[in-house]
Amino acid sequence: AQKVTQAQTEISVVEKEDVTLDCVYETRDTTYYLFWYKQPPSGELVFLIRRNSFDEQNEISGRYSWNFQKSTSSFNFTITASQVVDSAVYFCALSEYYTGANSKLTFGKGITLSVRP
Amino acid sequence: GAVVSQHPSWVICKSGTSVKIECRSLDFQATTMFWYRQFPKQSLMLMATSNEGSKATYEQGVEKDKFLINHASLTLSTLTVTSAHPEDSSFYICSVSDRGRQDTEAFFGQGTRLTVV
Repeated sequence: AQKVTQAQTEISVVEKEDVTLDCVYETRDTTYYLFWYKQPPSGELVFLIRRNSFDEQNEISGRYSWNFQKSTSSFNFTITASQVVDSAVYFCALSEYYTGANSKLTFGKGITLSVRP
Repeated sequence: GAVVSQHPSWVICKSGTSVKIECRSLDFQATTMFWYRQFPKQSLMLMATSNEGSKATYEQGVEKDKFLINHASLTLSTLTVTSAHPEDSSFYICSVSDRGRQDTEAFFGQGTRLTVV
């Protein structure tokens, strides 16, 4: 069975601080997809990144960066120079590879990030 | 623009009534749609997988007679909460899948906030 653990439940930082959101996953599959989604108070899910299991390159997109460590089954997300607009709930998710990246997802419990001015 | 349209975005209904939620794929033919439920401050949990032209597959613990899913066309899936009760109050969100577009993220609707009074 697949499992995603986001041990941090709530994080509060002051604007411009860097913050890292942790994600640890479990799967018996040798190939799989990992995702991060942002959920603002309005509720919709905003896609941030998809990473397949055979691509361990770290990725940077503006103030966002992701560190994928297959050896420790972790896919951590760092926001640099955080802003108030980053305040939201962030979900890490895992899906099976063979059924496609847009197959059913197993979500972590989410991390509520509050960025104070 | 939006790939998935979910309607309504919120609904309040009386206990004992039924509520229908629609999920429309705008950009492509959705052979598969997924329905998730999210209780307040909780994670998203998969309820069922909806396949066009066939019966939905429900996750363990989800009552198929209470949560009726119809996926009659490649662009529309509906979730009907029958005889709703206050404990059914939740955020329901769908995602769509197209086998012709496997190498991309899951597309989510905007979600429906159901309140049963």
